[in-house]
Amino acid sequence: AQSVTQLGSHVSVSEGALVLLRCNYSSSVPPYLFWYVQYPNQGLQLLLKYTSAATLVKGINGFEAEFKKSETSFHLTKPSAHMSDAAEYFCAVILGGATGRRALTFGSGTRLQVQP
Amino acid sequence: NAGVTQTPKFQVLKTGQSMTLQCAQDMNHEYMSWYRQDPGMGLRLIHYSVGAGITDQGEVPNGYNVSRSTTEDFPLRLLSAAPSQTSVYFCASSPRGGAILYGYTFGSGTRLTVV
Repeated sequence: AQSVTQLGSHVSVSEGALVLLRCNYSSSVPPYLFWYVQYPNQGLQLLLKYTSAATLVKGINGFEAEFKKSETSFHLTKPSAHMSDAAEYFCAVILGGATGRRALTFGSGTRLQVQP
Repeated sequence: NAGVTQTPKFQVLKTGQSMTLQCAQDMNHEYMSWYRQDPGMGLRLIHYSVGAGITDQGEVPNGYNVSRSTTEDFPLRLLSAAPSQTSVYFCASSPRGGAILYGYTFGSGTRLTVV
């Protein structure tokens, strides 16, 4: 069965500091991986996705993530945090393969706090 | 385009009542899903559909029914509401073949409280 694990339910950084949100996946076939962001009282917005075209993926708002098969990881990073990045971030996976279910499986989320 | 529209935005139910959460999309997407979001648990899949007339269960289907009579609509029915169903519910859609390439588009959610 596929799953994703997000390490750290809360992460706090200072404005201008590096943001690193961790995601590890468990899948028996090559996965398709996504990061979503949820601002307070809103729905989810796609940040970026990995679909095997390139291991380093750039997304919106200056975020990027690197797919590392050897570590089964897809960590999200941003070089310099802004106050507006404060939100909850979700890693998600879709199982690959011809018969894989095409619905998302989510991690438990990481709430990012940005301190002035 | 309105995208994915969920109604109502807020609802309070009494235990044992039934209701339907509405979800409609105007993007001609074939894939649609329902999730519930609870603190510390992320989003969990309730039911999903790959097209009109085709539905399947997700991780937490008990107490919920769905049907998909049209491509546009995917209502979620609570048969007999319980306090454990207090949650925020999200509907999402994706084009066929596009779930991998584009991910899903989410509605703004329905916050349900069962007392």
